[in-house]
Amino acid sequence: QKEVEQDPGPLSVPEGAIVSLNCTYSNSAFQYFMWYRQYSRKGPELLMYTYSSGNKEDGRFTAQVDKSSKYISLFIRDSQPSDSATYLCAMTRISGNTPLVFGKGTRLSVIA
Amino acid sequence: NAGVTQTPKFQVLKTGQSMTLQCAQDMNHNSMYWYRQDPGMGLRLIYYSASEGTTDKGEVPNGYNVSRLNKREFSLRLESAAPSQTSVYFCASTDVLRESSYNSPLHFGNGTRLTVT
Repeated sequence: QKEVEQDPGPLSVPEGAIVSLNCTYSNSAFQYFMWYRQYSRKGPELLMYTYSSGNKEDGRFTAQVDKSSKYISLFIRDSQPSDSATYLCAMTRISGNTPLVFGKGTRLSVIA
Repeated sequence: NAGVTQTPKFQVLKTGQSMTLQCAQDMNHNSMYWYRQDPGMGLRLIYYSASEGTTDKGEVPNGYNVSRLNKREFSLRLESAAPSQTSVYFCASTDVLRESSYNSPLHFGNGTRLTVT
């Protein structure tokens, strides 16, 4: 079992839809959870991060972490064509410079 | 503000050739990383350098070597390229992860697209 599992999609939704992207993980030591967005032919960029469990909201984006289920989600409200990208979850333990572990990414297309 | 700069952007090699991928960051970050990204495989860590003077293997180090030249620069070398090394290579940097205060995200370059024939 890989440490982080993410459905690669592709996921295609109409403009204005609510999008739900998810990852599961197996390592209970993970404490930091991140979502990166990657546009075509670009490097990933950090979209949101959360520490431990709970929700975090930023505009149209909400990140949720359920540590008891080892499950994280990213919700996009009122999705726009500009949200079309690959979304990668990532996570790590607390200590020092432990590298991030990434999911494989979910490719999202928002159709106008 | 350049961030993370990778050179070259594209490269085609023949099997057995060698090359070095260059990476430089101007954010005074301590840690630097090399990832490869392949369809269906996601981002996989090749090597990383937690601080100047140290390097460590990641998930897929075989066939690669790295050099942390100074705090700004971290290069990745392919000594004898193989078709299996055809990939997009990303360099990234960040500051030290501090407990309860993750305020330094991983900054990525825009990648080097390498084809080995």
